[in-house]
Amino acid sequence: EADIYQTPRYLVIGTGKKITLECSQTMGHDKMYWYQQDPGMELHLIHYSYGVNSTEKGDLSSESTVSRIRTEHFPLTLESARPSHTSQYLCASSESVGGIRQFFGPGTRLTVL
Amino acid sequence: AQTVTQSQPEMSVQEAETVTLSCTYDTSESDYYLFWYKQPPSRQMILVIRQEAYKQQNATENRFSVNFQKAAKSFSLKISDSQLGDAAMYFCAKQGNLIFGKGTKLSVKP
Repeated sequence: EADIYQTPRYLVIGTGKKITLECSQTMGHDKMYWYQQDPGMELHLIHYSYGVNSTEKGDLSSESTVSRIRTEHFPLTLESARPSHTSQYLCASSESVGGIRQFFGPGTRLTVL
Repeated sequence: AQTVTQSQPEMSVQEAETVTLSCTYDTSESDYYLFWYKQPPSRQMILVIRQEAYKQQNATENRFSVNFQKAAKSFSLKISDSQLGDAAMYFCAKQGNLIFGKGTKLSVKP
């Protein structure tokens, strides 16, 4: 079944650690996105990609980085986690550049102590 | 800058009743898509309904319908015959790299 997956679902980690949040989709979508969402708040776009080897920064500035080596995979990396990075990170994908409809993953809830 | 505004942080509805969630937006574009997404507690965000701006007819999906007023830049969501499973955060969003409103938390009372 076509879907979008995120691992881990929950992560508690100490300050200064390097972390990678995984996102994979099996729908063959070209465009993928990362959003940051604080509890009970709106989503803010932090990264997106039009396809392989394409990455762009979103509306909200983030210290994280992303890569897109394969169509189905769009990992997000924090080189040195800080408490201010504590948030939920949602990955999404869509089948067109216009982003007519986005499919969301279940999210990763990150806590940095 | 484009914005999406949801002025109701929380709403409550009795089971089987109807509730309307409000959304307004700002854009200079003439053709675009608008969406309502549902985010249940600790569950995946899913698309509820979408509206193409050039279509005058309001979109409908089963118990969910929208009232799209293009000139007023208003896009409200009506949920009929509310069910307990409708309890969630609802986000209004505009196409582009999606611009989201702050969300409305809907509670459904049995």
